[in-house]
Amino acid sequence: NAGVMQNPRHLVRRRGQEARLRCSPMKGHSHVYWYRQLPEEGLKFMVYLQKENIIDESGMPKERFSAEFPKEGPSILRIQQVVRGDSAAYFCASSPPIGALGTEAFFGQGTRLTVV
Amino acid sequence: GENVEQHPSTLSVQEGDSAVIKCTYSDSASNYFPWYKQELGKRPQLIIDIRSNVGEKKDQRIAVTLNKTAKHFSLHITETQPEDSAVYFCAASIDPADSGYALNFGKGTSLLVTP
Repeated sequence: NAGVMQNPRHLVRRRGQEARLRCSPMKGHSHVYWYRQLPEEGLKFMVYLQKENIIDESGMPKERFSAEFPKEGPSILRIQQVVRGDSAAYFCASSPPIGALGTEAFFGQGTRLTVV
Repeated sequence: GENVEQHPSTLSVQEGDSAVIKCTYSDSASNYFPWYKQELGKRPQLIIDIRSNVGEKKDQRIAVTLNKTAKHFSLHITETQPEDSAVYFCAASIDPADSGYALNFGKGTSLLVTP
């Protein structure tokens, strides 16, 4: 099991460009979560998705940020018109279906976004 | 919403000593409390978790205690080793069986274990 795979590991964007971060959950996991980690800070929950559904987006900024988890393919976190304050590490986590015994959320290695 | 406070922000101990990290939370509905370890540049990894139906849980050199009345929980690492050096995060949420892993994290404790 390859674990939660995120790519790219590092992403540099100029202000105003778009950033696309991808996350492939662990095999058998149907739930994906995105977190943002600012320098010297803890992880902040952004959004929780199942296939083709957004379950909880209470942590997502209202503008410029969107997330999807299509029926086929990875989950995508999209940031439009990036600003310097978007520079952070973005972590994806995945979990099995809720209620499965012994579940935990497994994190990917993260994508480090730098906006210049 | 839930607010998780974590102390201290940095902790330095001698190898073999114990380390204690404390967290408080604000939402009495929270009943799931995991601890994650994050080494520099790496992914957060779950090291132990506790649910509110128990007051203490132990796994080898790591233990977590929970006081629901006071809304605080602590991580205890005994016989520390240099490889324990990392950033440790506490988190709180309602039961993931009900709402998934939308975790509320503390700001982290940077633990340094010196030989």
